[in-house]
Amino acid sequence: AQSVTQLGSHVSVSEGALVLLRCNYSSSVPPYLFWYVQYPNQGLQLLLKYTSAATLVKGINGFEAEFKKSETSFHLTKPSAHMSDAAEYFCAVSELGAQKLVFGQGTRLTINP
Amino acid sequence: EAGVAQSPRYKIIEKRQSVAFWCNPISGHATLYWYQQILGQGPKLLIQFQNNGVVDDSQLPKDRFSAERLKGVDSTLKIQPAKLEDSAVYLCASSFELGISQETQYFGPGTRLLVL
Repeated sequence: AQSVTQLGSHVSVSEGALVLLRCNYSSSVPPYLFWYVQYPNQGLQLLLKYTSAATLVKGINGFEAEFKKSETSFHLTKPSAHMSDAAEYFCAVSELGAQKLVFGQGTRLTINP
Repeated sequence: EAGVAQSPRYKIIEKRQSVAFWCNPISGHATLYWYQQILGQGPKLLIQFQNNGVVDDSQLPKDRFSAERLKGVDSTLKIQPAKLEDSAVYLCASSFELGISQETQYFGPGTRLLVL
């Protein structure tokens, strides 16, 4: 069965600092991996997705993530945090043949001025 | 392009009452999903439709929850009777292709339900 673990329910960084949000997955077959962002009182918006084309995936708003099969990880990074990045971030996995997304518990990102 | 629409945005009911949520997906999207997001957790899939047929409802509490997607377009999710543990945000999402695992799901703003 698929599962996703996000390390750290709450991450706080200073404006301009590196953002690193961790995601590890468990899947019996090569997965598809997604990062979604959720702003207060809004739905989820896709940041980026890994679909086996390239291991380093670039997304919107300057975010990127690297798929590392040996570590079963898909960590999200951004070189320089901006106040507008404050939100909840969710990592999700789906498997070939199943459109169902399985989400992690989320990481709340706070940006300090 | 209009996004996924949901209504109402907020609902407060007492336990044992019934409630219904409505979702209109992005035009042309074949697949529609209902997720339940409890505070502090990630969304959990309740039911998935492809056109007007159910693909996956394995995590839908069928004794109290029901959903339909008439004519393969908009959908309603109903809870009857509601329990305190049903307090959550109910998210609707849609995607364009049939059976494509890496297809992007587009989410609506959600309906926040509070059961007292």
